[in-house]
Amino acid sequence: SQQGEEDPQALSIQEGENATMNCSYKTSINNLQWYRQNSGRGLVHLILIRSNEREKHSGRLRVTLDTSKKSSSLLITASRAADTASYFCANRSGSARQLTFGSGTQLTVLP
Amino acid sequence: DTEVTQTPKHLVMGMTNKKSLKCEQHMGHRAMYWYKQKAKKPPELMFVYSYEKLSINESVPSRFSPECPNSSLLNLHLHALQPEDSALYLCASSQVIAGVSNTGELFFGEGSRLTVL
Repeated sequence: SQQGEEDPQALSIQEGENATMNCSYKTSINNLQWYRQNSGRGLVHLILIRSNEREKHSGRLRVTLDTSKKSSSLLITASRAADTASYFCANRSGSARQLTFGSGTQLTVLP
Repeated sequence: DTEVTQTPKHLVMGMTNKKSLKCEQHMGHRAMYWYKQKAKKPPELMFVYSYEKLSINESVPSRFSPECPNSSLLNLHLHALQPEDSALYLCASSQVIAGVSNTGELFFGEGSRLTVL
């Protein structure tokens, strides 16, 4: 399976704290993306980082990519209760024609 | 709000029924996808259409039959399903760049929750 692994599987934090989620993948990639999914809803694209980039920011989101370790991390700063959701990384390797999603992290932000 | 619309939001069907899930997008995307998602699992790709032609079928059982009547619509026809097919079915779309689908952002619908009795 090309599916990546994410850790932790579940993360519970207080509002205002930072949340860090990690993603590992198995093959070389063109880009890596992060998606959020509220319970029972569709996925929403958060951010894309290309294989030649090491860090990217978008609002309260910071994504890093380490291609030598085949890993990425998503940092959400100053978390809010509305950030409660599942977060998935997804990547497309060079010859693949589709995204492969990681196993996901369930984030709970307590008010 | 998503720009990919899926209907119905909920569907309950028996194992002998025939039903269809529908998906519509008006973003001009020429790649459309069906994913299946079980509880607490990541989405699993079922089918990809590129320029209204089926380009990827991830060994999905024939009781699932996709159809792309035009560039804005994607259907998933369901027949003789099993209880284990109960899941959230997600439609997505994306641009096609250099003839390759899925290189960038996917836009997802809210999904159709299917229950097979």
